[in-house]
Amino acid sequence: AQSVTQLDSQVPVFEEAPVELRCNYSSSVSVYLFWYVQYPNQGLQLLLKYLSGSTLVKGINGFEAEFNKSQTSFHLRKPSVHISDTAEYFCAVSDRAAGNTGKLIFGQGTTLQVKP
Amino acid sequence: NAGVTQTPKFRILKIGQSMTLQCAQDMNHNYMYWYRQDPGMGLKLIYYSVGAGITDKGEVPNGYNVSRSTTEDFPLRLELAAPSQTSVYFCATGTGWSTEAFFGQGTRLTVV
Repeated sequence: AQSVTQLDSQVPVFEEAPVELRCNYSSSVSVYLFWYVQYPNQGLQLLLKYLSGSTLVKGINGFEAEFNKSQTSFHLRKPSVHISDTAEYFCAVSDRAAGNTGKLIFGQGTTLQVKP
Repeated sequence: NAGVTQTPKFRILKIGQSMTLQCAQDMNHNYMYWYRQDPGMGLKLIYYSVGAGITDKGEVPNGYNVSRSTTEDFPLRLELAAPSQTSVYFCATGTGWSTEAFFGQGTRLTVV
């Protein structure tokens, strides 16, 4: 079984400042890792994903994340945030095992509040 | 293409009533999912389907039923609504495995 913990429920930050949203996971098997973003009153959309290879993954809107296997973490970063980045961010994992059906286990979510 | 379409967007139910949340996709994806989102809890998988005629339970299936008669549609049925089912429900599709899931806009359900 897998679990995902997002270490901060809310992250306030000023516009143009850097931000890091933290995600740790627990799993007895290898997993794929994802970050999704949810803007107000909308569905979720994929920011980025880690499947294999380079541990630094770049996504849309200038976000990137680093997979750290030894620390079982997948933290999301952006060097300079905009007001439009205000949203809820979800970290998720999916089982790599054969027959994977793409089911996602989500963290609790982190609300990023960008202030002018 | 519309992607993933959920109806209705909002609904208020009384305790004990039943309803069906509709989900339709035009992406020709085999995999479909129903999640519920509760504040501070993230999203939890209710049911999923790997193709027409095949469904299976997720983490929180109690109080819900699904069917999948076509590739395009994956309705979620609540038979006896309870206050604990007040939530935002999301339908999603995908090709399984390592690919991304595509989400609908959600249905906000309140049971009073």
